[in-house]
Amino acid sequence: DAKTTQPPSMDCAEGRAANLPCNHSTISGNEYVYWYRQIHSQGPQYIIHGLKNNETNEMASLIITEDRKSSTLILPHATLRDTAVYYCIVRVAFSMLRGGSQGNLIFGKGTKLSVKP
Amino acid sequence: ETGVTQSPTHLIKTRGQQVTLRCSSQSGHNTVSWYQQALGQGPQFIFQYYREEENGRGNFPPRFSGLQFPNYSSELNVNALELDDSALYLCASSFSRGGARDEQFFGPGTRLTVL
Repeated sequence: DAKTTQPPSMDCAEGRAANLPCNHSTISGNEYVYWYRQIHSQGPQYIIHGLKNNETNEMASLIITEDRKSSTLILPHATLRDTAVYYCIVRVAFSMLRGGSQGNLIFGKGTKLSVKP
Repeated sequence: ETGVTQSPTHLIKTRGQQVTLRCSSQSGHNTVSWYQQALGQGPQFIFQYYREEENGRGNFPPRFSGLQFPNYSSELNVNALELDDSALYLCASSFSRGGARDEQFFGPGTRLTVL
């Protein structure tokens, strides 16, 4: 089962910041927070990931609380093309030891973000 | 660098048949994972291949099997198809070197319909 909780849907006005919350209260010390999104009928697309510190890339920013029990994905200036299902995933590190963790992604149902003009 | 590709795009089979889905990983990637996504659900992990050997499996029966080849391609085989096997099948490749900093890159998926 997914170790994260997300709201099922959110709306955002075009050009405004979209803030997508995620709760992961049972996260372990060696688990990363990953965000992916899936535009209708396409494969999931990697957005960003982090362990403790806040992260930023060309797509988004990731804010992780100090206790690591929750995080927020921020799309600074949402466009219509950002309409998608956003998945927050807690992921164990891949282990190169045979029989170790595969680091596979455990998806929940995600948040359906609708960006409106 | 080319992305992850999958074939075919769509496929229709009947119950009891067998199907093979194909995936071409990104060049240099040593790990491929397969996921099943039913309508309205998030993707579910089927299994992973690391350096051409199965490296882990989710909660899927043995009639789901796979292969990974040295040329970065991979196959997912499903025997004795059931109606519930109708789904989008996603392949994801990555270069695994330990740790969790290896992003998985997904292909566009194969839509399988079982009648």
